[in-house]
Amino acid sequence: GNSVTQMEGPVTLSEEAFLTINCTYTATGYPSLFWYVQYPGEGLQLLLKATKADDKGSNKGFEATYRKETTSFHLEKGSVQVSDSAVYFCALRNQAGTALIFGKGTTLSVSS
Amino acid sequence: AAGVIQSPRHLIKEKRETATLKCYPIPRHDTVYWYQQGPGQDPQFLISFYEKMQSDKGSIPDRFSAQQFSDYHSELNMSSLELGDSALYFCASSVRGRDTEAFFGQGTRLTVV
Repeated sequence: GNSVTQMEGPVTLSEEAFLTINCTYTATGYPSLFWYVQYPGEGLQLLLKATKADDKGSNKGFEATYRKETTSFHLEKGSVQVSDSAVYFCALRNQAGTALIFGKGTTLSVSS
Repeated sequence: AAGVIQSPRHLIKEKRETATLKCYPIPRHDTVYWYQQGPGQDPQFLISFYEKMQSDKGSIPDRFSAQQFSDYHSELNMSSLELGDSALYFCASSVRGRDTEAFFGQGTRLTVV
């Protein structure tokens, strides 16, 4: 079946540090991959996505590259800010209209 | 821009009571999803609708049911509530497609006491 595995958190960083959150997936066919972010008390917001192998999604300084050979979609940011503190979810969708399957989420805490 | 609207935002119910959660998707979105998120957990898919017909079923308990109406709003009905049903319930909507973004509402926080 389809599944997403994320690195466990929490991840605690100082401002301007480099961020990597690992995500690997298992899926039949060719899924689309997403990163969603959830701030405290809010719903999930799409951060970035990639729809085919070797695509790079990017937004707000975050990047992730769809690696089919390693079935991975790791999230990176070169210099984190305090405002990036949130929970990050990796997700996949395998077919048109099917529901997103989420990983367990990784909590990021950035201190100044 | 219009977003996904959920109501109520907070709900407190007693065990064995019923609850109805409402979701108003973004206009022209043809697909609605319901998710349950326990404390510190990932969102678990419950059920989805495409053009008012149930399209996918996830880990929705038999005590729960949902439907989508002619105006595309959706309701999640929960009966015989248990303490373990306390969670954040999200509705999301999208245009049907593998690559399309699902837009999430702010959620309904259900507390069962």
